[in-house]
Amino acid sequence: NAGVMQNPRHLVRRRGQEARLRCSPMKGHSHVYWYRQLPEEGLKFMVYLQKENIIDESGMPKERFSAEFPKEGPSILRIQQVVRGDSAAYFCASSPVVGGTEAFFGQGTRLTVV
Amino acid sequence: DQQVKQNSPSLSVQEGRISILNCDYTNSMFDYFLWYKKYPAEGPTFLISISSIKDKNEDGRFTVFLNKSAKHLSLHIVPSQPGDSAVYFCAGGGSGGSNYKLTFGKGTLLTVNP
Repeated sequence: NAGVMQNPRHLVRRRGQEARLRCSPMKGHSHVYWYRQLPEEGLKFMVYLQKENIIDESGMPKERFSAEFPKEGPSILRIQQVVRGDSAAYFCASSPVVGGTEAFFGQGTRLTVV
Repeated sequence: DQQVKQNSPSLSVQEGRISILNCDYTNSMFDYFLWYKKYPAEGPTFLISISSIKDKNEDGRFTVFLNKSAKHLSLHIVPSQPGDSAVYFCAGGGSGGSNYKLTFGKGTLLTVNP
């Protein structure tokens, strides 16, 4: 019974490149949430997805960021043309039903933009 | 606008003594609160939650107290153990009809000395 799996654990990108972060939810979980933790900050909500649907993307930057959760495969958080300010830890959580109290977090992807 | 505040960046206690971690919030609409524990390079792990209609919830060594009039909650760990050394995050959830979105504080680093 694997937990929420995120990969890669560490990702280094040069400014202007694209970053793709993957999240496989726990078995039986159809709700996925992405959070970002900037240095010295708490986690901040980015987006909530169900299979093939974006439910709430109110925390996503308006440009360069996108997320998907296809019918098959992991959820993907995509950052185009990365900048230094995108350097952060990105955490994915999943839950069997909608709700924050049921969410389990993955180990995170630490993105470093050089 | 920080809706959840953890004003103590760090706390150091002796093994066997009580650890008290504090959290203040400004958003009266939170339906529930949670405490997470986070080790370096790991994702947050759920510890304990409390509904906004309760004033106390206890689970083993962990007790959370909620004072709604003061908009304050605290996590008590007793007795503290060296393995409790981690960053503790307070989070509020359920605000504005979105019961999935968590708002985190910046965290408090707890060090339990043997």
